[in-house]
Amino acid sequence: AQSVTQLDSQVPVFEEAPVELRCNYSSSVSVYLFWYVQYPNQGLQLLLKYLSGSTLVKGINGFEAEFNKSQTSFHLRKPSVHISDTAEYFCAVTRRQAGTALIFGKGTTLSVSS
Amino acid sequence: EAGVTQFPSHSVIEKGQTVTLRCDPISGHDNLYWYRRVMGKEIKFLLHFVKESKQDESGMPNNRFLAERTGGTYSTLKVQPAELEDSGVYFCASSQDHPVRDTQYFGPGTRLTVL
Repeated sequence: AQSVTQLDSQVPVFEEAPVELRCNYSSSVSVYLFWYVQYPNQGLQLLLKYLSGSTLVKGINGFEAEFNKSQTSFHLRKPSVHISDTAEYFCAVTRRQAGTALIFGKGTTLSVSS
Repeated sequence: EAGVTQFPSHSVIEKGQTVTLRCDPISGHDNLYWYRRVMGKEIKFLLHFVKESKQDESGMPNNRFLAERTGGTYSTLKVQPAELEDSGVYFCASSQDHPVRDTQYFGPGTRLTVL
């Protein structure tokens, strides 16, 4: 079975500061990794995904994430956040071989203030 | 191109009543998924359709939940009778072709409140 742990439930930061949202996963099989974002009153939107290849993945809106197999982590980073980045962020995994269900973490609320 | 749409956006019902949620996937997407988020918890998978067939329904909590996908297009999720613990946000997602590599596009969700 797979599980995802998002280590921070809330992350408050000031505008233009860097941010890192942490995600660790557990799985006995190889997985694909995802970050989704949910802005207020909207559905989940894919930020980025890791399938294979380079461990540094770049996504939309200036976000990037690094897959670390030895530490089973997939932390999300942005060097300079904006007020508009305020949202809830979800890390998710899915098995590679079979099954398609996304397994989500509990989410991290990023609050950006001026 | 229209995204995944869900109806209604909110539903408030009494315990014991029936509620039907609807999801319209992106046109041409064969894969359709239902997920649920109970307050304070993670988003959890309920089931997966490939066209009109249930591929995986391992996440369905009990037999009070019935999902259908007519003609491989829209899907409905019926809860009958509803219980208090069914409250939460129900998300629908769709994807095309390879069910894992292709992105799952999510709808805005239906917020269900059972009183």
